[in-house]
Amino acid sequence: AQRVTQPEKLLSVFKGAPVELKCNYSYSGSPELFWYVQYSRQRLQLLLRHISRESIKGFTADLNKGETSFHLKKPFAQEEDSAMYYCALSRFFTGGGNKLTFGTGTQLKVEL
Amino acid sequence: DTAVSQTPKYLVTQMGNDKSIKCEQNLGHDTMYWYKQDSKKFLKIMFSYNNKELIINETVPNRFSPKSPDKAHLNLHINSLELGDSAVYFCASSQGTFRGGNTIYFGEGSWLTVV
Repeated sequence: AQRVTQPEKLLSVFKGAPVELKCNYSYSGSPELFWYVQYSRQRLQLLLRHISRESIKGFTADLNKGETSFHLKKPFAQEEDSAMYYCALSRFFTGGGNKLTFGTGTQLKVEL
Repeated sequence: DTAVSQTPKYLVTQMGNDKSIKCEQNLGHDTMYWYKQDSKKFLKIMFSYNNKELIINETVPNRFSPKSPDKAHLNLHINSLELGDSAVYFCASSQGTFRGGNTIYFGEGSWLTVV
């Protein structure tokens, strides 16, 4: 079974402060991990995927297989970063497609 | 151009009614999905279809019936609506043909309220 845990329901930081959104997973296979962001009443948008190892909007995330973690980090929070962030684990189906298992989400609030 | 579009965006209906949500993607993807986001913002997959064939059915009540007339469309029909069906329903799609880096693209969501 695959499981994703985001321990913080709400994270409040001041503008300019570092941000770390925690994500831990359990999966018996080789994991594929993603971070999605949802701004207020909007669609889910892909923020990062571990395979591409890119940085989007200043956010980075490193897969740590030893700790089974995929924490999302940003050195300096901006007001526009306020949103709901979901960590997700993907499982490929040989019939086609992927099943994303989402964590419960962390609401990030950046205060001035 | 909207990649994954779903209609209606908002739907308020009475208990016991039957309603449908339509979804279309213009990305040329093979796989489409329905996800449900409940009032606590939990997101969970309901169904996935690959080239019009059902791949994933996550113990959803049989009042929910997805229909895929072609690989660009996946509609969700709900019979005998209940209060607990109130949620945001997200349609999504992905290329679906290979493992690794399959990005799933989401629609804007359909806000269903059952009264």
